[in-house]
Amino acid sequence: DIQMTQSPSSVSASIGDRVTITCRASQGISSWLAWYQQKPGKAPKLLIYAASSLQSGVPSRFSGSGSGTDFTLTISSLQPEDFATYYCQQANSFPITFGQGTRLEIK
Amino acid sequence: QITLKESGPTLVKPTQTLTLTCTVSGFSLSTSGVHVGWIRQPPGKALEWLALIYWDDGTRYSPSLKSRLTITKDTSKNQVVLTLTNMDPADTATYFCALRSTAMTSLDYWGQGTLVTVSS
Repeated sequence: DIQMTQSPSSVSASIGDRVTITCRASQGISSWLAWYQQKPGKAPKLLIYAASSLQSGVPSRFSGSGSGTDFTLTISSLQPEDFATYYCQQANSFPITFGQGTRLEIK
Repeated sequence: QITLKESGPTLVKPTQTLTLTCTVSGFSLSTSGVHVGWIRQPPGKALEWLALIYWDDGTRYSPSLKSRLTITKDTSKNQVVLTLTNMDPADTATYFCALRSTAMTSLDYWGQGTLVTVSS
């Protein structure tokens, strides 16, 4: 199985801050990486697919980059509604695997 | 408008079989490139992928649960059914179904999830 490791596990930030979350795959996954946002009691929401493609309807302050084993999700200017948990997910090979999540909290 | 809704029991006893149904509205599961997956999330923990079924009825399973899982599709009802046998308290989780609507994207539509508790 491909292990997905996110860092940090949690981060505190303020409104307007730029935040970067990292996801590392235990082996190369090309660009088969997605990012999801999950709020408490809700289903995950797709933000980014194919490592850097912005899902329709997702604000442009979200961006993704990387390929191979190292990927980042960047939020350029934090908004109140961005405080949530973020997960990366690889779809290069089965089984599909998720990272352990990064909790983004208000400072 | 595409929606997914999970249905099934909220409480099962240890050793019983769990059967969950995902009903998809506004989108045909026979569309080429589509797949529907099941993902679960134990309380306070991360997401865990379980299984998926493709538009052409191809299936894939998590190796760690493969012996206990079955996923099927009823295209006429636009439903996907997941069964998990020999339930254990460790299987207590919110179970989500999710749709990949094209081959180019990822899981772009999700159901609200259903919490299943395993307890005697």
